[in-house]
Order: sequence, then structure tokens, then C-alpha cells
Amino acid sequence: GAGVSQSPRYKVAKRGQDVALRCDPISGHVSLFWYQQALGQGPEFLTYFQNEAQLDKSGLPSDRFFAERPEGSVSTLKIQRTQQEDSAVYLCASSRGSGQLTSYEQYFGPGTRLTVT
Amino acid sequence: AQSVTQLDSHVSVSEGTPVLLRCNYSSSYSPSLFWYVQHPNKGLQLLLKYTSAATLVKGINGFEAEFKKSETSFHLTKPSAHMSDAAEYFCVVSVGRRALTFGSGTRLQVQP
Repeated sequence: GAGVSQSPRYKVAKRGQDVALRCDPISGHVSLFWYQQALGQGPEFLTYFQNEAQLDKSGLPSDRFFAERPEGSVSTLKIQRTQQEDSAVYLCASSRGSGQLTSYEQYFGPGTRLTVT
Repeated sequence: AQSVTQLDSHVSVSEGTPVLLRCNYSSSYSPSLFWYVQHPNKGLQLLLKYTSAATLVKGINGFEAEFKKSETSFHLTKPSAHMSDAAEYFCVVSVGRRALTFGSGTRLQVQP
């Protein structure tokens, strides 16, 4: 079946612009995660949804970052007033369940590469 | 808090020779450990996971890893490298949180 999809795959924004990144998880997956991957680094956790509820947003780097999942399916990560340090690949992952992490593999999308100029 | 350290940022092997990618973890509690692989322009794919069952874990594509609590290590191995194994590999830990904590990655090159 279809995997996790993200759009756009590439985004160039001028500093100060707002951007919106979309994630379509695997159908029926309860949990959804956003990660940020800077160049040459491993992904870092941003936020977690269980259905439409945002249960953990401890990784969001500033109040310019906002995520939503209003109907418990598609999610949008919004970055306001983008800065150069926001340049990174933003990864979305979904998993089937919401219990112990080890029981439910996270499936990752291909990511959105954001470049802020 | 938990963390992982991948001891090599780059590893180069010849096709047909063994692969060893090293990972040490730090955790206050019993961790769950994973290895993910990332091919260029593709999503992260789970290779294998350790969940406190058998300490030797077998994964996809002939990879395996051994959990050694005394050494706080979870090294990834493969007996014989293939050209298609060239990719970025991430060691990952989770302790009771829903999110994963990634290492900084090891880029594996496979020479013909």
C-alpha cells in the first residue's frame, strides 16, 4: 500500500516568509511524528500527535513553529517568519498504534527539504 | 535522558567484506534500540530493533546487531557487504517516550 507522503519535496523560502509543510500518513495510523534533520545530522524530534491530539510538542524550537492534525489524518507543520537556521529536511513518520513505542514501527516519509535564503 | 553515540561518521568497505557500524548508548532505564537506514532521496527504513528479548537481533538484508548491556553497545554487522548497502545508517534509542532519539549517523561506502 501507499507509504507516508510529504509535500512539497523541496521548498525555497525567503527569510521572513511563512511556510506550510504537509504530511499524509499511512491510512489508519494513529500516531504521527515530525522530525527536523539538519545537514549532516540525525533527525531530531519536534512533535507528536495521537489522532488529532498533540500530546508532545517539546521539540519545537520556537513559537514560530506550529503543527496541527485537525481530523486525525493529514498533518501540517507551519513555520512563521522563517530564519536561515530553519533550513533542514523535515521528516514525518506515522505508526499504527499509540502504546509502547517498540510495538509499533514508525514509517517515515521522504521529507521536505526547506532552504531559507 | 537517553542518547546514542555513533563512533564513526564514515566507514568504507570493499564489496564482499564484513561491515561493522559501532553504536554506544546512554540510558537511565532499559532502552529500546533500533537501527535505521537512509538511502538518498528515500525515507528512513527500519533495519532491526531490540526490545529486551533476544540480545542478538536479526534484521532485513542480512544485517544483525547485538545488545551488550555491560558495554552499553549495539553494534550493527553484516558478514558480506553489497553495493546496495551504501547509505546512511542511524542508531536510535527510545526509553518510554514515544519519540526516537537518533545518533548523528554513519555513512557507509562500499567499494567495488
